[in-house]
Amino acid sequence: QSVLTQPPSVSAAPGQNVTISCSGSSSNIGNNYVSWYRQLPGTAPKLLIYDDHQRPSGTPDRFSGSKSGTSATLGITGLQTGDEADYYCGTWDGSLSAGVFGGGTKLTVL
Amino acid sequence: QVQLQESGPGLVKPSQTLSLTCNVSGGSISSGGYYWNWIRQHPGKGLEWIGYIYYSGYTSYNPSLKSRVTISVDTSENHLSLKVTSVTAADTAVYYCARQRAALRRAEFDNWGQGALVTVSS
Repeated sequence: QSVLTQPPSVSAAPGQNVTISCSGSSSNIGNNYVSWYRQLPGTAPKLLIYDDHQRPSGTPDRFSGSKSGTSATLGITGLQTGDEADYYCGTWDGSLSAGVFGGGTKLTVL
Repeated sequence: QVQLQESGPGLVKPSQTLSLTCNVSGGSISSGGYYWNWIRQHPGKGLEWIGYIYYSGYTSYNPSLKSRVTISVDTSENHLSLKVTSVTAADTAVYYCARQRAALRRAEFDNWGQGALVTVSS
């Protein structure tokens, strides 16, 4: 049972847009910065978004992050088949004094 | 570009101690500014934060694992280590080391090792 809640899967066609939600509480998302990761099969996760909405160099601007209250959202526009992966949200939880992650969302590009 | 590389036994017997090392290249752990983490991923499952260490030796652990986990750092060798005692099959996972910017209210991991699969089995 993950501290942050993500939908297990989302799907969309190439070229379309998709959003992935991440729900938490005031002890984590509500008072701390959210990051997002993409994990291709058999590889390590890679940082996509940090500080809720900042993109590290190398992250295309098709990827965006936002946050409202205790929920965060990853947006991907112009889906490509190469975007098929597992996506995770993460943050710090002040009550647990621990890093926490969502359970992951499998993105399928139909 | 900082690179991280995990190493250690891929098979550990139940009740024994799991030991892994993460070698850091392209940057010095003792430069400061970053926490050095261990994160694991059970087969087919999500990510679980284990804990981190700062170059000074300051540590923070996941409360659910704290009683069995020790993270240490060797700044002269530029590596960090993980020990998990009294392992069971539930500790079978891919173990990653990852770098985290040492800043309040954040847990963002900007560099990851490739991961090391550790199987607990007799």
